[in-house]
Amino acid sequence: DQQVKQNSPSLSVQEGRISILNCDYTNSMFDYFLWYKKYPAEGPTFLISISSIKDKNEDGRFTVFLNKSAKHLSLHIVPSQPGDSAVYFCAASATGTASKLTFGTGTRLQVTL
Amino acid sequence: NAGVTQTPKFQVLKTGQSMTLQCAQDMNHNSMYWYRQDPGMGLRLIYYSASEGTTDKGEVPNGYNVSRLNKREFSLRLESAAPSQTSVYFCASSEADGRARYEQYFGPGTRLTVT
Repeated sequence: DQQVKQNSPSLSVQEGRISILNCDYTNSMFDYFLWYKKYPAEGPTFLISISSIKDKNEDGRFTVFLNKSAKHLSLHIVPSQPGDSAVYFCAASATGTASKLTFGTGTRLQVTL
Repeated sequence: NAGVTQTPKFQVLKTGQSMTLQCAQDMNHNSMYWYRQDPGMGLRLIYYSASEGTTDKGEVPNGYNVSRLNKREFSLRLESAAPSQTSVYFCASSEADGRARYEQYFGPGTRLTVT
């Protein structure tokens, strides 16, 4: 049972436009959410996170929105740059679980010129 | 400061062979994790160690064993490799102390093929 879902395997966006990556979760115990970025042949790198007590967190060009009632979060990248082309993973964690992360299957973002 | 290092980077095994994947972190993190990544499956947790001296099973532990050798090192062992264990393996570490959550830092991965 996939507790964290990224239903779009891929997304193509023009340089300078907004990229919106979506993630849904089913486990209501999740209270901390993270986005990771992964380039080929490298390990995932942390991008941005959000606690369930917030509904928005912003860091430069990256903003994560959390809608707890819908069990949905999204990552907005504005403006998108070619260097943003990578696979993005959504991950979730629950209090008291030793920070174990449950990952989604990833969305491959391609930013075109 | 190297972060999280993994050895080897690549490995080819025959079915039934054994091997140990090594992982070390120099960030003084308490918690360490082993994941596998398969196409279309995201990253799945194999084993984790919340602190030195403790290890626990994750989502897909069958066929693997782990050792938390000290605070820095966390190894993953395949006793009898099977083709289903062909995957990319990532080690990660975090400061997590059970009360607050911190992001995990990942190593570069080991690409394992079992023939």
